[in-house]
Amino acid sequence: GAGVSQSPSNKVTEKGKDVELRCDPISGHTALYWYRQSLGQGLEFLIYFQGNSAPDKSGLPSDRFSAERTGGSVSTLTIQRTQQEDSAVYLCASSLTPQGGEKLFFGSGTQLSVL
Amino acid sequence: AQSVTQLGSHVSVSEGALVLLRCNYSSSVPPYLFWYVQYPNQGLQLLLKYTTGATLVKGINGFEAEFKKSETSFHLTKPSAHMSDAAEYFCAVTPAGNNRKLIWGLGTSLAVNP
Repeated sequence: GAGVSQSPSNKVTEKGKDVELRCDPISGHTALYWYRQSLGQGLEFLIYFQGNSAPDKSGLPSDRFSAERTGGSVSTLTIQRTQQEDSAVYLCASSLTPQGGEKLFFGSGTQLSVL
Repeated sequence: AQSVTQLGSHVSVSEGALVLLRCNYSSSVPPYLFWYVQYPNQGLQLLLKYTTGATLVKGINGFEAEFKKSETSFHLTKPSAHMSDAAEYFCAVTPAGNNRKLIWGLGTSLAVNP
């Protein structure tokens, strides 16, 4: 595709519900990243994929958070039993290679609101 | 732990004036330094980055940044602001030993007044 696509752009959910956030990276990009931006906070690293494997998932806040990537392309971030503190903008980025310092291409994000 | 500080969450300049957005990082020298920009209703995009070599780095739209190891700084400048420069600017660094995980500043919102 022309750029990184994320869906939905906005998601409002009730506390305790599960949500799935989707990321479509740029075609051919092998590395994919999830970040979270909470109100008043900087971007927080969640997880990084190289192909379909996740060498670094150290940023996932709890076991309620999980992510997968299939076909070396689409990734889904799943949050189970959502809590109000999960409210944030979830950003996905991809890069051509996983080389350090590689340029990241970001999607427009999913604004998650947990009521 | 590595951290990034952007001085000034909001900066306002007049059109044609110098733009200076400050970024300082902590602890040991990071391998790579970045500035990303987010224009209204758009995703983050890379403005410029420093990896090795010349410490003055030029980016898109007339912006540049200088890596000063002695001051642990990577300030972003543009000689003459344009209305289209109004955006959110983020400084980021990679921590030593993990080039794939960026540490971000909180961002600086730049307003350009006519």
